[in-house]
Amino acid sequence: KNEVEQSPQNLTAQEGEFITINCSYSVGISALHWLQQHPGGGIVSLFMLSSGKKKHGRLIATINIQEKHSSLHITASHPRDSAVYICAVRTGNQFYFGTGTSLTVIP
Amino acid sequence: KAGVTQTPRYLIKTRGQQVTLSCSPISGHRSVSWYQQTPGQGLQFLFEYFSETQRNKGNFPGRFSGRQFSNSRSEMNVSTLELGDSALYLCASAMESRDTQYFGPGTRLTVL
Repeated sequence: KNEVEQSPQNLTAQEGEFITINCSYSVGISALHWLQQHPGGGIVSLFMLSSGKKKHGRLIATINIQEKHSSLHITASHPRDSAVYICAVRTGNQFYFGTGTSLTVIP
Repeated sequence: KAGVTQTPRYLIKTRGQQVTLSCSPISGHRSVSWYQQTPGQGLQFLFEYFSETQRNKGNFPGRFSGRQFSNSRSEMNVSTLELGDSALYLCASAMESRDTQYFGPGTRLTVL
């Protein structure tokens, strides 16, 4: 049983499309993280949130604590957004990761 | 500010050997966490250190150990290497445990 489930696993979009990646979790959390990993391995933390909604440029992250669900939205997608997006949750003393969503944005 | 650095970047070992990986956090960061990433298991949490103390540990055998020095630099050690230990090992630093983490480029370990 996975503590964190992401969907979809793979996503292909045309440049300019609005993209949504979903994350559901089954444990009580203190924070949820969205990470971006480009080919080659480098990971960047996009958002850390424990409630509500955060926005950074074209990226928006939301979380519903009652439903144990979070979404990552990318508006006006661009080929440089092509990467693996990983949802991670922190419980009191553990981190659990989703398997990632591989996004390809076609020009 | 310099980012998180990890050394070495690539490493090849044989079964039964041991290995030590190093992580230098961003200046001023006191929290260092280690993660293992494999194609089969994805990202998994290894352990977290804060001010030289291990705060949390993931579900890994005792062959995996780590430590943090007074300058916040951290090392992790894997003894008696197994083929399944081949992975990308990532470290991340943060000001405090609950802050945004900044990841290093990783050390890619291959066990033959």
